[in-house]
Amino acid sequence: EIVMTQSPATLSLSPGERATLSCWASQNIYNNLAWFQQKPGQTPRLLIYHASNRAAGIPDRFSGSGSGTHFTLTISSLEPEDSAVYYCQQRASFITFGQGTRLEIK
Amino acid sequence: EVQLVESGGGVAHPEGSLRLSCAASGFSLSSYWMSWVRQAPGKGLECVAALKPDGIEKFYADSVRGRFTISRDNTDNSLYLQMSSLRATDAAVYYCARASYCTNAYCVGGAFDVWGQGTMVAVSS
Repeated sequence: EIVMTQSPATLSLSPGERATLSCWASQNIYNNLAWFQQKPGQTPRLLIYHASNRAAGIPDRFSGSGSGTHFTLTISSLEPEDSAVYYCQQRASFITFGQGTRLEIK
Repeated sequence: EVQLVESGGGVAHPEGSLRLSCAASGFSLSSYWMSWVRQAPGKGLECVAALKPDGIEKFYADSVRGRFTISRDNTDNSLYLQMSSLRATDAAVYYCARASYCTNAYCVGGAFDVWGQGTMVAVSS
């Protein structure tokens, strides 16, 4: 099983600031990584696939980068509605998720 | 409209069984890899089962292998998860999810682009 590790566990930033969320894979997953956003009481929403491709309807302030074992989700200018838990997910082998990063907007 | 609607959740006894259903509309299940993903209260996401478009090859997380079975009915375009020998640790919201952006027949690189609203499973004596 490929283990996905996210950091930090919690991030607290102000509107307009830049958020950088990290995700590490326990082995090389090339670019087979996706990012999801989940708000309280809601279904996860796909943000990024293939490490750097934005899904349909996702604002361009969300961007993904990385390959191999280290990946980053960047939110360039935070808005209040970005408050959520963010998960990375690999699909190089059977699907596994990171444990999530909780992003709080002050 | 592309949509997934789960049903069948509820309360089961330990070692009991439940069958979850997921009705798809707006697309054909037989064209996509489909999965069941669960989320225990206050916890993260765990993919427990995946079904290849051929409806034959099935994949399971170690935590449920031998107890859960994923299947599909092409006639009514529905996905199922038969759960048996349920444990307290199986309590969660269960989502069905569609994978897109697959780069090969085994959906390497795929990501869940459509999710159902979830159905809650509780396990209690």
